[in-house]
Amino acid sequence: GQQVMQIPQYQHVQEGEDFTTYCNSSTTLSNIQWYKQRPGGHPVFLIQLVKSGEVKKQKRLTFQFGEAKKNSSLHITATQTTDVGTYFCAGDFGNEKLTFGTGTRLTIIP
Amino acid sequence: DTGVSQDPRHKITKRGQNVTFRCDPISEHNRLYWYRQTLGQGPEFLTYFQNEAQLEKSRLLSDRFSAERPKGSFSTLEIQRTEQGDSAMYLCASSARSQSAQYFGPGTRLTVL
Repeated sequence: GQQVMQIPQYQHVQEGEDFTTYCNSSTTLSNIQWYKQRPGGHPVFLIQLVKSGEVKKQKRLTFQFGEAKKNSSLHITATQTTDVGTYFCAGDFGNEKLTFGTGTRLTIIP
Repeated sequence: DTGVSQDPRHKITKRGQNVTFRCDPISEHNRLYWYRQTLGQGPEFLTYFQNEAQLEKSRLLSDRFSAERPKGSFSTLEIQRTEQGDSAMYLCASSARSQSAQYFGPGTRLTVL
């Protein structure tokens, strides 16, 4: 079936260090979206990537979509305590619904 | 607040009882989605609507689950004869069109005793 795998499952970083989470799909995606979920909260939309090789930036966050449209990454530069949460990628296989990855839970060591 | 709202926020019920949850999407959004999320997992797709039409239902959704969106605005998700395995967070999301950003509500946490 259509699956989206995400690694790592957990990441603990010192405040100020960088963080990266990776997402891989079993088949080509129509687009990929990224969401952030704070502890006790609900997923919040961050960005959508549609084009092959696309790179988008939001302040300290950089999102990439692979050339084959089967993988994606989120990189956070110089993490801050406000970055704490679980980051999910969600793939759209062209069937108009999202398949979420298992998420990467980021904790920050002050 | 013009975001997605869900009611109730928490529901505790005994096994075998029926429960119903409500979702009010962002007013101009014609797509509405239901997901289920368990601890440590990402949201799992359950079903979605385009206006009042239910376009797809996940194989995860047994016959005990039913969803409606009668006038293309709010939606309800009903679970009949609840089981302990139904305990989860039930999330609703809406979007303006297909393949666009989804905006989630705060969820309804269901506990089946």
